[in-house]
Amino acid sequence: EVQLVQSGAAVKKPGESLKISCKGSGYTFSSCYIGWVRQMPGKGLEWMGIIYPGDSDTRYSPSFQGQVTISADKSISTAYLQWSSLKASDTAMYYCAANSLTGEPSMFDYWGPGTLVTVSS
Amino acid sequence: NFMLTQPHSVSESPGKTVTISCTRSSGSIASNYVQWYQLRPGSSPTTVIYEDNQRPSGVPDRFSGSIDSSSNSASLTISGLRTEDEAEYYCQSYDISSHWVFGGGTKLTVL
Repeated sequence: EVQLVQSGAAVKKPGESLKISCKGSGYTFSSCYIGWVRQMPGKGLEWMGIIYPGDSDTRYSPSFQGQVTISADKSISTAYLQWSSLKASDTAMYYCAANSLTGEPSMFDYWGPGTLVTVSS
Repeated sequence: NFMLTQPHSVSESPGKTVTISCTRSSGSIASNYVQWYQLRPGSSPTTVIYEDNQRPSGVPDRFSGSIDSSSNSASLTISGLRTEDEAEYYCQSYDISSHWVFGGGTKLTVL
């Protein structure tokens, strides 16, 4: 059974750094694209970026390029999303998701439960 | 880049059929696959359609997807509506650089 287990909720202050994680199991982690989607309070889904753990090929949405870093450690089947300096506007739910079906960076078929990030002074 | 436009909301009665549209602003709808995701309140998204009209395992055949080149749009059709289908539905596609685009989401009310 494919599972994506995300790290717990985080409460941070503006300017602080943060790294959240997503551990995959039940499939060949290194051979499947995995990525991140943001949902701000009361808003829709926004694609942040995607990574292929096998070779760390990473693609970012232009909206998030330079704002976050997506990485993966295939040895422990875990993907990461990190910020070096959080802003209040980063307050959102962050979902990791993976494509175990097609081998392309074009869709997700499995989703994690989400990590709620709250940034407040 | 292009945009995907969805109706803000739709409503229909249990047992009926509803169709949600997703119109691509530029470029052909057929040039890149369209996916549909269901987002229920308090839950994470689930994928109900991928590659225009494919259902992941476990998704009932009440859910179907299609594309129409004449209107440059994709559609998600849900037949035999149930109250548990009440959710937001998002279409998604991507461009030549594999950058994704989500539609704005459609709130489906089953009343």
